[in-house]
Amino acid sequence: DAGVIQSPRHEVTEMGQEVTLRCKPISGHDYLFWYRQTMMRGLELLIYFNNNVPIDDSGMPEDRFSAKMPNASFSTLKIQPSEPRDSAVYFCASSFLPGGQNTGELFFGEGSRLTVL
Amino acid sequence: GQQLNQSPQSMFIQEGEDVSMNCTSSSIFNTWLWYKQEPGEGPVLLIALYKAGELTSNGRLTAQFGITRKDSFLNISASIPSDVGIYFCAGLEGYGNNRLAFGKGNQVVVIP
Repeated sequence: DAGVIQSPRHEVTEMGQEVTLRCKPISGHDYLFWYRQTMMRGLELLIYFNNNVPIDDSGMPEDRFSAKMPNASFSTLKIQPSEPRDSAVYFCASSFLPGGQNTGELFFGEGSRLTVL
Repeated sequence: GQQLNQSPQSMFIQEGEDVSMNCTSSSIFNTWLWYKQEPGEGPVLLIALYKAGELTSNGRLTAQFGITRKDSFLNISASIPSDVGIYFCAGLEGYGNNRLAFGKGNQVVVIP
């Protein structure tokens, strides 16, 4: 079975450019999460969706960041304009709640490593 | 957000040795989890704990959910080279809360 698929795996861009990261969750999963990982701050939750609807975006750092989920099989995280401090690995994860019970198990993609020069 | 504290940041152990790591929080969690991340990959769930005091094993891994619900530990017995990676604790505050908080991780290096 295919896991969570993210693209691109690596992105190097210059400050001020727009960056779009993409995610395809596991089929049948109704929750989708975007995390950012840095050495200093570890794994930070940016936003999560349930049934394509954004539920909690309190972790989105600022207005330069936006996320969308137009359908159950696709989500994007956009940074415009990008800044060097946005350099990080961005993970997408999906999950489902068997019987409505949150087990805490997230299925992560391999991440998108972003470098902003 | 919630703070989960893991220390030390890095651990160097000899192959065959046991290693223990713990995670503490100032808040109560109803679910504790341990994830492992290998280089170039996303974290993968190792063990999940749902009841205070619960002790759960998965092969050479053993984890416990602290009685106070503010801590958890993970033990790896008889370490092998493929145990190398970053081990994260994670906590879920309550039912209906889907925000999973992560610690900063313990980097484990196994020396052959």
